Amino acid sequence: EDKVVQSPLSLVVHEGDTVTLNCSYEVTNFRSLLWYKQEKKAPTFLFMLTSSGIEKKSGRLSSILDKKELFSILNITATQTGDSAVYLCAVVDNAGKSTFGDGTTLTVKP
Amino acid sequence: DAGVIQSPRHEVTEMGQEVTLRCKPISGHDYLFWYRQTMMRGLELLIYFNNNVPIDDSGMPEDRFSAKMPNASFSTLKIQPSEPRDSAVYFCASSFGQLAKNIQYFGAGTRLSVL
Repeated sequence: EDKVVQSPLSLVVHEGDTVTLNCSYEVTNFRSLLWYKQEKKAPTFLFMLTSSGIEKKSGRLSSILDKKELFSILNITATQTGDSAVYLCAVVDNAGKSTFGDGTTLTVKP
Repeated sequence: DAGVIQSPRHEVTEMGQEVTLRCKPISGHDYLFWYRQTMMRGLELLIYFNNNVPIDDSGMPEDRFSAKMPNASFSTLKIQPSEPRDSAVYFCASSFGQLAKNIQYFGAGTRLSVL
């Protein structure tokens, strides 16, 4: 059975701090790994990673995948209160089935 | 595009009643997913369809749950009879599988409360 484990489960930081969120996985027939941000509503897409070692960046957020060690990290630099959310990691197999982790709840204090 | 559209946004019902949740995926998407989210269990995949055909329903909790996708633009998730433990937010998501490597776009969700 496919498995996604995220750590830490929760994190409290102050504005301006840098955070690193972790996602490890076990999946048969890996296709892609996805990061989502969920505030009070539905998850919204952040990044899709398919190849090892290629960093994806969007503003202060970046992510990288290691397919050998089966993990990914999501970095957020110079955090802002608007970054407070649950960050979800999901892996997709070749049949299109996705498995989500439990998420990391990030709280950024002013 | 209006995105994935779910209805109703909120549903309050009594135990034993039938509940039907509806979803309209993004036009052109060939995958549709139903999820349930609770504090205790997080986001759980219930079932997903590819080209209107159910591919994996192993996440459906029990026979009280059923899902259909009669055409490419509509899907339903039905619970009959409903129980208090079914209370959760139910999300529908769609994706375009082959090219987009399954980036899923979520609807706003249906918050279900079973009393």
